[in-house]
Amino acid sequence: GENVEQHPSTLSVQEGDSAVIKCTYSDSASNYFPWYKQELGKGPQLIIDIRSNVGEKKDQRIAVTLNKTAKHFSLHITETQPEDSAVYFCAASKGQNFVFGPGTRLSVLP
Amino acid sequence: GAVVSQHPSRVICKSGTSVKIECRSLDFQATTMFWYRQFPKQSLMLMATSNEGSKATYEQGVEKDKFLINHASLTLSTLTVTSAHPEDSSFYICSANPRSHHSTDTQYFGPGTRLTVL
Repeated sequence: GENVEQHPSTLSVQEGDSAVIKCTYSDSASNYFPWYKQELGKGPQLIIDIRSNVGEKKDQRIAVTLNKTAKHFSLHITETQPEDSAVYFCAASKGQNFVFGPGTRLSVLP
Repeated sequence: GAVVSQHPSRVICKSGTSVKIECRSLDFQATTMFWYRQFPKQSLMLMATSNEGSKATYEQGVEKDKFLINHASLTLSTLTVTSAHPEDSSFYICSANPRSHHSTDTQYFGPGTRLTVL
């Protein structure tokens, strides 16, 4: 079955700096890769996603890149703000069922 | 758009009682709804997948007689934790997959339900 790894597990950056979170997946048939942000005590919120026919996608300060050959995808957050502090989860799927990574706790220091 | 609600947001119950959690898609119809469980500082673990009008598909290791799922309509799914025990205490989160040809695999999550079994 699919296995998703995520690094780093924790990440601290200064406000205004960039943050990068990387995920790798094992099943080459996976074709959909969403990223979720989860604040304490709340449900995950979809922030960006990418499909296997696209190499990069950007939405304001957030971007995702996908390398199908290497089977890894990354989340890039530029100009980080304190409200970006949360746990971020990547996921991979080839149908309806998602396999989530273990999560990255991002702290943006003012 | 794509709002999913859950009720209740938190519940405390005595050991041996049953608890029902509702998940609703507010502004879209959901072909499929998913139920996850999340322990503190851990990732989301899929418990079961449910399609409207059919039986839920449970993940390996999840007791179908303990976690009853009913998907009565395209906007409502319920999870009932029967004979709850302290080890069932967790954060239960549902998600819904919109009935749209544009997003056949996107999942939108509810806010979660914190269950505490005493």
